[in-house]
Amino acid sequence: EDQVTQSPEALRLQEGESSSLNCSYTVSGLRGLFWYRQDPGKGPEFLFTLYSAGEEKEKERLKATLTKKESFLHITAPKPEDSATYLCAVQGVRTGGGNKLTFGTGTQLKVEL
Amino acid sequence: DVKVTQSSRYLVKRTGEKVFLECVQDMDHENMFWYRQDPGLGLRLIYFSYDVKMKEKGDIPEGYSVSREKKERFSLILESASTNQTSMYLCASSLFHQTRPYEQYFGPGTRLTVT
Repeated sequence: EDQVTQSPEALRLQEGESSSLNCSYTVSGLRGLFWYRQDPGKGPEFLFTLYSAGEEKEKERLKATLTKKESFLHITAPKPEDSATYLCAVQGVRTGGGNKLTFGTGTQLKVEL
Repeated sequence: DVKVTQSSRYLVKRTGEKVFLECVQDMDHENMFWYRQDPGLGLRLIYFSYDVKMKEKGDIPEGYSVSREKKERFSLILESASTNQTSMYLCASSLFHQTRPYEQYFGPGTRLTVT
C-alpha cells in the first residue's frame, strides 16, 4: 500500500524567510509524485509533477525536488500570497488502474509580513 | 484553460435523503475521480472512472455510488445521507496513461452538511 507523510503539519514564516516542506513516501516503484496548492474552501491547484529521482521543477518562488524516498518543496523568499496548504501525492506501480493517487495530509503554510 | 465544475458549492441535506453531486469537465479527460476531504484525514478516494459506464471503488466507497453516462460527466450519489457524510467533496479529472500518471485537475468542491 502506498503511503505519503508530509512534514511539518504547519509552518509559519516571515516574509522573505526561505524554507522547505517535506514529503516522504513509500511505494512499490514510483510512477509519479505530484505537488498541489490548496487555498481554504477551494479545490487543490496543480503545481508540479516529478517522475524520477534527481528531477527538479521550478515555478516562481517554488522549487520541487525528488529523491528515492522523499520530495522537497523549497520556498524561496515567500510572500503572504504563498500562504496555503501544500499537498503531496504519489502513484506507484501497484496503485492499480485509472491512475489513482495517494495523498498526504498536507502542510499548512502561513507567511506573515 | 482547463475546467472542472461542480453543481453546488454548498449543500444542506437531511438524514436519509438521496443526494446527487454532479461534476463536469471540459478537457476530454478519460479519468474522473470523487474524493472527500476531512480535517486531519486528507483527501480520500471514494470512486473513480476511467471510461464511460466504467467505475471502480476507491478507498471509502461504502454509502456511495456513482454514475458516468457521458465522458464529461461523473455523478456521486449518496443513497441515504447520514451525518458522518458531512464533508467537502471534490471532483477531479485527468488524462489516462497506462504507466505514466498525468496530473489531476480539481473542481471547486461541494461543502455538504447533513443534519
